[in-house]
Amino acid sequence: KAGVTQTPRYLIKTRGQQVTLSCSPISGHRSVSWYQQTPGQGLQFLFEYFSETQRNKGNFPGRFSGRQFSNSRSEMNVSTLELGDSALYLCASRGVSSSYNEQFFGPGTRLTVL
Amino acid sequence: GENVEQHPSTLSVQEGDSAVIKCTYSDSASNYFPWYKQELGKRPQLIIDIRSNVGEKKDQRIAVTLNKTAKHFSLHITETQPEDSAVYFCAAYTSNTGKLIFGQGTTLQVKP
Repeated sequence: KAGVTQTPRYLIKTRGQQVTLSCSPISGHRSVSWYQQTPGQGLQFLFEYFSETQRNKGNFPGRFSGRQFSNSRSEMNVSTLELGDSALYLCASRGVSSSYNEQFFGPGTRLTVL
Repeated sequence: GENVEQHPSTLSVQEGDSAVIKCTYSDSASNYFPWYKQELGKRPQLIIDIRSNVGEKKDQRIAVTLNKTAKHFSLHITETQPEDSAVYFCAAYTSNTGKLIFGQGTTLQVKP
């Protein structure tokens, strides 16, 4: 099976702009989670989508939003970018069963806000 | 809210020594505890995990222990090798919220 893929891998934006990141999960996985990774804050949970519905949300402002399509691909959008949004954005997919199981991470999108 | 504390933040050991990383979680409903290894510039990869109905799990040189009463879990790496050098993250999954919360990470350096 192909792994989790993310596009683009690198992105440079300026303050005030918006950005959309894409994540394609492993075939058959219906859950996609997004994380923000920064040197100071580690891996912080943004949100999780399952069957096109947001199941959980972390403590991020409303500028961060996402969606999931019927093929389980997910997009994350950040509006009105701030310098502090510079980070590695990781998505992860997992199959869903009665008990929690492993998340597989994508390679990430490195976002730089100037 | 849910929280996972991880210590130490950095750890340096000599090749062949053991390394121990400890985590504490806040939500007693947490029932799944994975450990991820992230090498520089790469994605996090699962190295071992444990569920709340198990006290210890071992896979070759790595082992994880869980103390549900104290809400502690630890990663043990024996006979460390330079290729073990990476950032290690613990995490706790809580059924109530459906969230996987990560610790802050431990940078492990294994000196040859």
